[in-house]
Amino acid sequence: GAGVSQTPSNKVTEKGKYVELRCDPISGHTALYWYRQSLGQGPEFLIYFQGTGAADDSGLPNDRFFAVRPEGSVSTLKIQRTERGDSAVYLCASSFDPGLADTDTQYFGPGTRLTVL
Amino acid sequence: AQRVTQPEKLLSVFKGAPVELKCNYSYSGSPELFWYVQYSRQRLQLLLRHISRESIKGFTADLNKGETSFHLKKPFAQEEDSAMYYCALSGRLAGSYQLTFGKGTKLSVIP
Repeated sequence: GAGVSQTPSNKVTEKGKYVELRCDPISGHTALYWYRQSLGQGPEFLIYFQGTGAADDSGLPNDRFFAVRPEGSVSTLKIQRTERGDSAVYLCASSFDPGLADTDTQYFGPGTRLTVL
Repeated sequence: AQRVTQPEKLLSVFKGAPVELKCNYSYSGSPELFWYVQYSRQRLQLLLRHISRESIKGFTADLNKGETSFHLKKPFAQEEDSAMYYCALSGRLAGSYQLTFGKGTKLSVIP
């Protein structure tokens, strides 16, 4: 079946602009995660949704970052007043019930490469 | 706080030689450990996890709680093993489902 998809694959913007990054999870997956990967680093957790609600947003770096998942499927990560330090690959992952060992495997999308000039 | 350390940024081995990718972790509870792999131009994918105790593509990893390690091993490296490998930790048993990743090790298998 189709895997996790993310759009756009690349986004170039200017400092101070607003951007939206979209994630389409695997059909039927109730959990959705956003990570950010800077150059030379491993992915870093941003936020996790269970259904429509943000169950853990402890990784969001500041209030310029916000994410929604209004219908419990597609999610949008929103970044206001972008800064050069926001440049990174933004990864989305989804899973079935994360509370169970058999269903918590996170499947990753291809990522969106964000460049802030 | 949970932390994952992969001390080697790059590891080069000859084809047929043994491979060991090191991973150490810091976590106060009972962690779950994973190895993820990213082949060139592909997305990040799960290679194996400690609770399944499987061998995937000839790779194995044993969780050593005493040494807080989860090293990835393969007895005979193949060229197709060349990739970026990330060790990751989850606190699933404590209700923390986020993955904490190490910085990754790039494995290069020389023909």
